[in-house]
Amino acid sequence: DIQMTQSPSSLSASVGDRVTITCQASQDISNYLNWYQQKPGKAPKLLIYDASNLETGVPSRFSGSGSGTDFTFTISSLQPEDIATYYCQQYDNLPALTFGGGTKVEIK
Amino acid sequence: QVQLVQSGAEVKKPGASVKVSCKASGYTFTGYYMHWVRQAPGQGLEWMGRINPNSGGTNYAQKFQGRVTMTRDTSISTAYMELSRLRSDDTAVYYCARREYSSGFLPYWGQGTLVTVSS
Repeated sequence: DIQMTQSPSSLSASVGDRVTITCQASQDISNYLNWYQQKPGKAPKLLIYDASNLETGVPSRFSGSGSGTDFTFTISSLQPEDIATYYCQQYDNLPALTFGGGTKVEIK
Repeated sequence: QVQLVQSGAEVKKPGASVKVSCKASGYTFTGYYMHWVRQAPGQGLEWMGRINPNSGGTNYAQKFQGRVTMTRDTSISTAYMELSRLRSDDTAVYYCARREYSSGFLPYWGQGTLVTVSS
């Protein structure tokens, strides 16, 4: 099974800061990596698909990069409404999907 | 617009079964795989399996093999997830999510169904 290691598990940053989250796969998954945002009590929301493609309607301050085993998710300028938990998810070995452990983002 | 509307919260005793429904609208139900993902309180997301609404074919995560059954009723565009032999650690929010065509990402999610297992 492919394991996804996400870090950090939580972070605190100021409004306007650049925030970076990493996700490491236990084996090469090409670009089969997606990122979701989940706010408390809500379903996850797709932000980035296939490592670097911005889902329609998602603000451009969100971005993703990487391939193979190492991936990065970035918020270029943190906004108050970005407070949430972020998850990576791989799909190299469909039909199975694997999620990372999540990163909780808070405002300092 | 695509909508996935799930059934309401359930409270079950250990050993019982629960069946959660997910009614789809706004697209051709049989054209897209439906996945089920759960989230225990304060925990991360866990993939449970998927169903092909066209054929009824299923794939389950090994962890749930033998306890989970995913079905569908195409006449009412509804997918179901039944989990049997419930334990307290099955307490979670259960989500249905529609896969995008020929991809591995999930752009559409139901609102979630809280299943509480308690004696």
